[in-house]
Amino acid sequence: DAMVIQNPRYQVTQFGKPVTLSCSQTLNHNVMYWYQQKSSQAPKLLFHYYDKDFNNEADTPDNFQSRRPNTSFCFLDIRSPGLGDAAMYLCATSRTGRLNTEAFFGQGTRLTVV
Amino acid sequence: GQQVMQIPQYQHVQEGEDFTTYCNSSTTLSNIQWYKQRPGGHPVFLIQLVKSGEVKKQKRLTFQFGEAKKNSSLHITATQTTDVGTYFCAGPTGNTPLVFGKGTRLSVIA
Repeated sequence: DAMVIQNPRYQVTQFGKPVTLSCSQTLNHNVMYWYQQKSSQAPKLLFHYYDKDFNNEADTPDNFQSRRPNTSFCFLDIRSPGLGDAAMYLCATSRTGRLNTEAFFGQGTRLTVV
Repeated sequence: GQQVMQIPQYQHVQEGEDFTTYCNSSTTLSNIQWYKQRPGGHPVFLIQLVKSGEVKKQKRLTFQFGEAKKNSSLHITATQTTDVGTYFCAGPTGNTPLVFGKGTRLSVIA
């Protein structure tokens, strides 16, 4: 039973055409993350939410935006995708606290920019 | 900014050999987590270490958290082809709850 679901699994978008990636969770976790992972690299954190409290990483480009309308859903908006934005985008969830804060990842959305 | 450093970047071993990856932080970590990512897959949680000097085992995998809570290691005994993948350590740095190390990619030659 998938607990963190990302749609779509594969997305092809045109250069400069806005695209939205979605993530949903059934775990009722208060923390949600968006990571960007390029080939042979580590996941790079773009944003995270503590509940509705949005936290943007300092080096996340302005081209990337996020929305979390409720606990279960989170969206990643790329306003004007460039070729360098082609990557796997991973959504993850966790609980806050000192213990049992493991992150559960979705299967990712692989974004291709043409 | 604060980072979690991980070495080596790559490791090629013969099946049956042991494997170790190391993770270091410049600051004390409240906890450290380890994840495994198979080729084409997503990171999957392996374990979380919280206590200074903590050692945890999962079958052939042994995880350690340093006394100063600034370093950690993952050791695999007698590697198998199913161990292939990239192993990441991850921890909280500054205000960021989960930052990943660069990972160690393990290849196992049968």
